[in-house]
Amino acid sequence: DTGVSQNPRHKITKRGQNVTFRCDPISEHNRLYWYRQTLGQGPEFLTYFQNEAQLEKSRLLSDRFSAERPKGSFSTLEIQRTEQGDSAMYLCASSYVLGANEKLFFGSGTQLSVL
Amino acid sequence: DQQVKQNSPSLSVQEGRISILNCDYTNSMFDYFLWYKKYPAEGPTFLISISSIKDKNEDGRFTVFLNKSAKHLSLHIVPSQPGDSAVYFCAASDHGSSNTGKLIFGQGTTLQVKP
Repeated sequence: DTGVSQNPRHKITKRGQNVTFRCDPISEHNRLYWYRQTLGQGPEFLTYFQNEAQLEKSRLLSDRFSAERPKGSFSTLEIQRTEQGDSAMYLCASSYVLGANEKLFFGSGTQLSVL
Repeated sequence: DQQVKQNSPSLSVQEGRISILNCDYTNSMFDYFLWYKKYPAEGPTFLISISSIKDKNEDGRFTVFLNKSAKHLSLHIVPSQPGDSAVYFCAASDHGSSNTGKLIFGQGTTLQVKP
């Protein structure tokens, strides 16, 4: 297991289309996070799972966004009716909670361009 | 509301000299701080962290200093090497109170180390 894997690396879509991204975390990690990063900004938290339970969602996550982690392993992030403002890098991270401090390991991201 | 701020968008230093990257935060509940490094087309990579019970943590050429009263932390890289050229993100979490590793990131500082 070499780390967090995200697919696809790049996605170009037309406004109004639906897109789905996949994240495969490090196998023994029980927490999985989704972040979004736009140019010139740091990553912004979207949502996270502990095993298969989605425990927190940011107000950035509009009702067009949905994330799942059906068996507590891989996760998908779907954006419905994409808008140009959705263009960003979508990052997935995973972690294993042990003790008080938690370290996130990030994937290489999916770069979304909405035309 | 930017809870974590990196006020210098870029920094340029000569190889072999010290690089100092700064970060300020506003939320006094933050108890764990991390620095991530990001190369183009890759996800952020963990570099070093510090808990709020410490004021210094060192790992090889990298040292992080935390000043809780000033709500300020800094990353020192000594000596700087051309391979250190990347975007550096400061991140913070309130893990002790929230029991999540959700990270709040700064905007990033682009470091260029000139040979």
